[in-house]
Formats: sequence, C-alpha cells, structure tokens
Amino acid sequence: GAGVSQTPSNKVTEKGKYVELRCDPISGHTALYWYRQSLGQGPEFLIYFQGTGAADDSGLPNDRFFAVRPEGSVSTLKIQRTERGDSAVYLCASSLVGRDDTQYFGPGTRLTVL
Amino acid sequence: EDKVVQSPLSLVVHEGDTVTLNCSYEVTNFRSLLWYKQEKKAPTFLFMLTSSGIEKKSGRLSSILDKKELFSILNITATQTGDSAIYLCAVENYGQNFVFGPGTRLSVLP
Repeated sequence: GAGVSQTPSNKVTEKGKYVELRCDPISGHTALYWYRQSLGQGPEFLIYFQGTGAADDSGLPNDRFFAVRPEGSVSTLKIQRTERGDSAVYLCASSLVGRDDTQYFGPGTRLTVL
Repeated sequence: EDKVVQSPLSLVVHEGDTVTLNCSYEVTNFRSLLWYKQEKKAPTFLFMLTSSGIEKKSGRLSSILDKKELFSILNITATQTGDSAIYLCAVENYGQNFVFGPGTRLSVLP
C-alpha cells in the first residue's frame, strides 16, 4: 500500500525566498509530524498535528516556519525568508492515532538554501 | 522499488536480556544506514553506518553493517526498561533521501 510521500524530493532555493514542502500521509492516519534532520544528526521535532489542528508546535524554530493541514490529510510546511541554516532534510511522518503509535516516515525533502 | 525490512516487528524481553534487531535493505545508490530509537518527541539518532564490518558502539548498544549481504544488526545488551521503544532503521540513498523500515517495537519487562 502507499506509504507517506513527500514532494519535492529535492529543493534548491536562494536565501530570502519562500518555500513550501508537501507531505501526503498514509490514508486514515490522524497524526502527522514534521521533523528536520541535519547531516549526521537525529531528526529535530518541528510540529505535530492531530487531525487539522497543531497539537504541538513547540519545535518550530521561529515565526518564519509555519505548517498547515487544512483537511486533516495533506500537510504543507511553509518557510518564509529562507536562510542558509534552514538547509536540511525535512522529514514527515504519520501515525494512526497519536504519539504512542508507530510513526511511518516519508523519504524527506532535501532543502538547500544557497 | 527501494525497501527496508526490519525483524522482528515486535519483541518482549526481560531486564538483563540481550536483544538483536535486524534490518535488511534493497536500495539503489546506498549512502548510509541509520538506526534511531523512536521516542515521543522525536526519534533519537543512534548510529550511522557507511562501511561494512566496522562495529559502532555506544554504551550497551552496538551495530554493524554488512554491505555485501545488505543488512545491519542492532544489539542491546543488559536491557533495561528504559530501552522500551520502537527502533527504526533507515537507509539514505543518493538522490532519494531516506527509506525507513517499519520499526521493531521492543518491550523490556522488569
């Protein structure tokens, strides 16, 4: 069956530009997570959605980062005024109900800010 | 199609036992294999393996990669209840980012 998908797989942008990263979770999964992973490090939590609402957005580093999940399925992570330090792999995961369930990860979007 | 398979999917042991978790993969353009311990807030990075036959150790945890047979194992000795978690294996490949396995759910009973 279809797993978590993310688009684009790679994104190169210039400093100061706006980017949107998309995540399609597994159908029927109510929980969705965004992480950011830098080279050689573990994923850094950004935000967790339960349905349409952000149940925990404590990991968003600053107000340039924003995420939505308007219909409780697809989610978009939006980054304004990108900086070189935003370069990382952005991972999305989904789970059936919540944080106690197994999270299924997508392949990630590799963002490079020049 | 690239894939990562982990076994067992679920494991229950008692404190003090030693466990071995398995990860096999079929991916193109292999770059590295990573092990994570999935905890509530975010997965914790355990190991990154790029070369065959070189064991990496961190306390009671160790891991090794076999690039010829396309698998890796994660060993945990003298398990503790705090080791209870889902252990994820992922392969990073050039150009396609990550392929994650389904995880092994480890429960360590007192």
